[in-house]
Amino acid sequence: EIVLTQSPGILSLSPGERATLSCRASQSVSSSYIAWYQQKPGQAPRLLIYGAFNRATGIPDRFTGSGSGTDFTLTISRLEPEDVAVYHCQQYGMAPIFTFGPGTKVDIK
Amino acid sequence: QVQLQESGPGLVKPSQTLSLTCTVAGGSISSGGYYWHWIRQPAGKGLEWIGRIYSSGISNYNPSYRSRVTISVDTSKNQFSLKLYSVTAADTAVYYCARDSPTNPVIFHMWGQGTMVTVSS
Repeated sequence: EIVLTQSPGILSLSPGERATLSCRASQSVSSSYIAWYQQKPGQAPRLLIYGAFNRATGIPDRFTGSGSGTDFTLTISRLEPEDVAVYHCQQYGMAPIFTFGPGTKVDIK
Repeated sequence: QVQLQESGPGLVKPSQTLSLTCTVAGGSISSGGYYWHWIRQPAGKGLEWIGRIYSSGISNYNPSYRSRVTISVDTSKNQFSLKLYSVTAADTAVYYCARDSPTNPVIFHMWGQGTMVTVSS
């Protein structure tokens, strides 16, 4: 089973700063099978990025996904107060099985 | 617009069976060729995929749960359900139902709001 590790655990930045979130897989994963979700406090997760770099419908272009192999990144180019959330990466394996990383919490200073 | 809504008891006793239902509103559970999923999130922790079902009734489960979980679908009621047997306190979590994308079965495109289930005597 592929294990996903996310870093940092908590990211505290000022509005307008750039946020870089990492998701590392224990084995190589096809980019097609990597997604990112945003979960605001008290809410269900919302799909942000699929196929490693495709933005879901309605997602602002300040959110960018990138990476390949075992290392994937979610970048928020200019942090806004509404971006306070936990960000989860997810991968699909052929068993089939879906696994998530532990999440990165993004706070505003 | 399709919406998902979880329902079921908020409190379950240890060793008993946790039963939840997800009602699909605004669309037919049988159309579109979707997979319907259950995912849970213990308090302060990450998300865990439990399993999925196709409208035909074919299901797949996370090996971590396979021996004590059943997901079923009732197309006449436009619902799918989760049964988790022999629960313990470790099964206390928010449980979400979700659906994949029309063109991408490896992501969770739509989510219910979630329902909190506590396992306690």
